[in-house]
Amino acid sequence: EAGVAQSPRYKIIEKRQSVAFWCNPISGHATLYWYQQILGQGPKLLIQFQNNGVVDDSQLPKDRFSAERLKGVDSTLKIQPAKLEDSAVYLCASSLSSSGSSAFFGQGTRLTVV
Amino acid sequence: KQEVTQIPAALSVPEGENLVLNCSFTDSAIYNLQWFRQDPGKGLTSLLLIQSSQREQTSGRLNASLDKSSGRSTLYIAASQPGDSATYLCALRPLYNFNKFYFGSGTKLNVKP
Repeated sequence: EAGVAQSPRYKIIEKRQSVAFWCNPISGHATLYWYQQILGQGPKLLIQFQNNGVVDDSQLPKDRFSAERLKGVDSTLKIQPAKLEDSAVYLCASSLSSSGSSAFFGQGTRLTVV
Repeated sequence: KQEVTQIPAALSVPEGENLVLNCSFTDSAIYNLQWFRQDPGKGLTSLLLIQSSQREQTSGRLNASLDKSSGRSTLYIAASQPGDSATYLCALRPLYNFNKFYFGSGTKLNVKP
């Protein structure tokens, strides 16, 4: 079974630039999560999709972050404009449903804003 | 609001030692709790998932327990190996919103050869 795929693996940008991350979840997984993990901390949920609808985006900084999930499969997360404090690993995860089944994580995208 | 704490933040042990990692939470109304492993620069790998109705789960040298009344979960690693070196994270889903994970900040384990 293929895992959760994310790209790119690494990205370095200057502050105020834009960046986009891509995630392809495990086939058939209806729930997709984007997390932000700052060094030394646990992951923090940014947004959760159920199919192509948003379930929870309460911690997404909507003035600069946006996300979409086209056709309930792949998802993109965008930051525009980036700030220094956005430097983190962005993790995508998926699960079969939202009813508490195990979540599977991608390898993440490490973003450095300089 | 649910808070998840993992202490210690870092742990160093000699190879072969049995060890326990701790995870505590403030609200016992949980749906399930999951232990993950994270290697440097990598994503999270699920180790064990304990449903609210269960007391423990085992996989190989790993055993996770859950005690909702005391707000604690432990991950027991038997006969530790250098390959076990990684950061271990616990995450739980509350009953009132089992869509959402609450993560601890992790315990960074170093097993010395």
